[in-house]
Amino acid sequence: QKEVEQDPGPLSVPEGAIVSLNCTYSNSAFQYFMWYRQYSRKGPELLMYTYSSGNKEDGRFTAQVDKSSKYISLFIRDSQPSDSATYLCAMSVTGTASKLTFGTGTRLQVTL
Amino acid sequence: DVKVTQSSRYLVKRTGEKVFLECVQDMDHENMFWYRQDPGLGLRLIYFSYDVKMKEKGDIPEGYSVSREKKERFSLILESASTNQTSMYLCASGTGGLTSYNEQFFGPGTRLTVL
Repeated sequence: QKEVEQDPGPLSVPEGAIVSLNCTYSNSAFQYFMWYRQYSRKGPELLMYTYSSGNKEDGRFTAQVDKSSKYISLFIRDSQPSDSATYLCAMSVTGTASKLTFGTGTRLQVTL
Repeated sequence: DVKVTQSSRYLVKRTGEKVFLECVQDMDHENMFWYRQDPGLGLRLIYFSYDVKMKEKGDIPEGYSVSREKKERFSLILESASTNQTSMYLCASGTGGLTSYNEQFFGPGTRLTVL
């Protein structure tokens, strides 16, 4: 069993839809939870990060962490074609010099 | 802007060749990382370095070695390339700190094909 599980998609939604991306994990020691966005032929870039449980909002993006269920989510409101990318969740344990464990990524396509 | 550059975007090598992948960052970051990215497997950590001349094995170090002689440069070496090392290789750098989160900044990747 992988430490971090993520549905690979692809996920296709119309412009303006609300998108929900999710990851589950098995290591209860994870404290930091991140979402990276990766456009085709580019390296990943950090979208959002959350420490421990709770919600964090940044514009159209909301990250949620439920440590009791070992489940994290990224919501995208009013999705745009420019949101089409692969979204990777990543997690780290405090005290490991930022060593990250990644999910496999979900490919999202937002259509006009 | 933080910039992480990788020496090649695309590379084709023969089985048995020694391969060097170079990564340079311009933000004076302590930590540097090498990952490979494969469909269905995501990003897997090969090696990382938290200081000059220091290195730590990641999750899949077999068949690879690294070198960090200068703070800004981190090299990945495939001593004898094999076809199962065909992959996308991503370098990242980040600030130090063992007890807090620090963002990792990624380069554009090198697509390596071993024939």
